Amino acid sequence: GDSVTQMEGPVTLSEEAFLTINCTYTATGYPSLFWYVQYPGEGLQLLLKATKADDKGSNKGFEATYRKETTSFHLEKGSVQVSDSAVYFCALSDEGGGGNKLTFGTGTQLKVEL
Amino acid sequence: EAQVTQNPRYLITVTGKKLTVTCSQNMNHEYMSWYRQDPGLGLRQIYYSMNVEVTDKGDVPEGYKVSRKEKRNFPLILESPSPNQTSLYFCASSFDWKETQYFGPGTRLLVL
Repeated sequence: GDSVTQMEGPVTLSEEAFLTINCTYTATGYPSLFWYVQYPGEGLQLLLKATKADDKGSNKGFEATYRKETTSFHLEKGSVQVSDSAVYFCALSDEGGGGNKLTFGTGTQLKVEL
Repeated sequence: EAQVTQNPRYLITVTGKKLTVTCSQNMNHEYMSWYRQDPGLGLRQIYYSMNVEVTDKGDVPEGYKVSRKEKRNFPLILESPSPNQTSLYFCASSFDWKETQYFGPGTRLLVL
């Protein structure tokens, strides 16, 4: 079945540092890939997505490129802020995977300090 | 404002006492889903609904029931809650299961 693997957290960075959160996936079909963000005490919200190979999703300074050859969708940001502190989830939807649902990774907590 | 609402936001109950968590969306979405979030396990799908009167099991359906009598509402029912159902629950909706899902604010449940 489909699966998503994310790097373990928490990740602690100083403000203005470069961020990378790794995400790799296995899927039977041609999935769409998503990054969702969960701020403290809130539900998840879409951060960015990519629907086909080599697509780059971007939003709020975050970027991720759909790499089919390495089955990866790593999240990056050039300069993080304290307000980026949250839990980040990588997810996929795969028509060939069976089941009409998103498959989520376990989430990576990011803490940004002054 | 487009949103998914859940009630209650927090609930403490005892083993065996039936409860319902409501979920409502105002975006005319056809697809709705319930997830539970547990530390180290991420989000796991409990049940989903492709449209009115169409529901199906997700990955962890045991101990839960759902119904979809109207397009906007998708309640989650725990007929006889047990302590292992202590969790954070999220409802989500979208036009299609492959598309961006919109999440409610979550319901934190403690079963004693």
